[in-house]
Amino acid sequence: GENVEQHPSTLSVQEGDSAVIKCTYSDSASNYFPWYKQELGKRPQLIIDIRSNVGEKKDQRIAVTLNKTAKHFSLHITETQPEDSAVYFCAPDPYPQEYGNKLVFGAGTILRVKS
Amino acid sequence: AAGVIQSPRHLIKEKRETATLKCYPIPRHDTVYWYQQGPGQDPQFLISFYEKMQSDKGSIPDRFSAQQFSDYHSELNMSSLELGDSALYFCASSGTVRTYEQYFGPGTRLTVT
Repeated sequence: GENVEQHPSTLSVQEGDSAVIKCTYSDSASNYFPWYKQELGKRPQLIIDIRSNVGEKKDQRIAVTLNKTAKHFSLHITETQPEDSAVYFCAPDPYPQEYGNKLVFGAGTILRVKS
Repeated sequence: AAGVIQSPRHLIKEKRETATLKCYPIPRHDTVYWYQQGPGQDPQFLISFYEKMQSDKGSIPDRFSAQQFSDYHSELNMSSLELGDSALYFCASSGTVRTYEQYFGPGTRLTVT
């Protein structure tokens, strides 16, 4: 099955700085790469995703980059704000299925933005 | 926009009791997923349904069962509850085939005492 690793496990940044979280996966067949943000006790919220035919995608302060050869993708948050503080999960699709695709989550990265 | 609805939001049960969790997907979404998240853990996939048929199965205990009904809502039935079943249970839904984005409901917090 898919083996997913996230680094770092904890990240503290000063407000306004950038944050980068990296996700490494094992299954070369994966072709969908989402990032979820989860605040304490709340639902995971899809914040950005990318498919294997694209190398980079950006949405305002958030971007995702993909390196399929090296089997990793990264979340980039610029101009961080206190409300960005949360746990971030990567969840690469381990194998493309025609009917539904389960998500295999990484262990999560706790991001703390200090003001 | 309508989101995934889960009920109940909180549930307290005793060991060996049963529990039923309900999930109502986003309108016109035909695929439902169940995830279990223990304290400080990442969500773990349990089971999924597409068009009322089980489409994938993960680490779901034999004591648990689930189904998707004709109106696409889904129920997760949990029997012989154990203390270790205490967790947040999320339902997620996605749209038609090849729509990969999964949107999560608010979750049901199950506490087994």
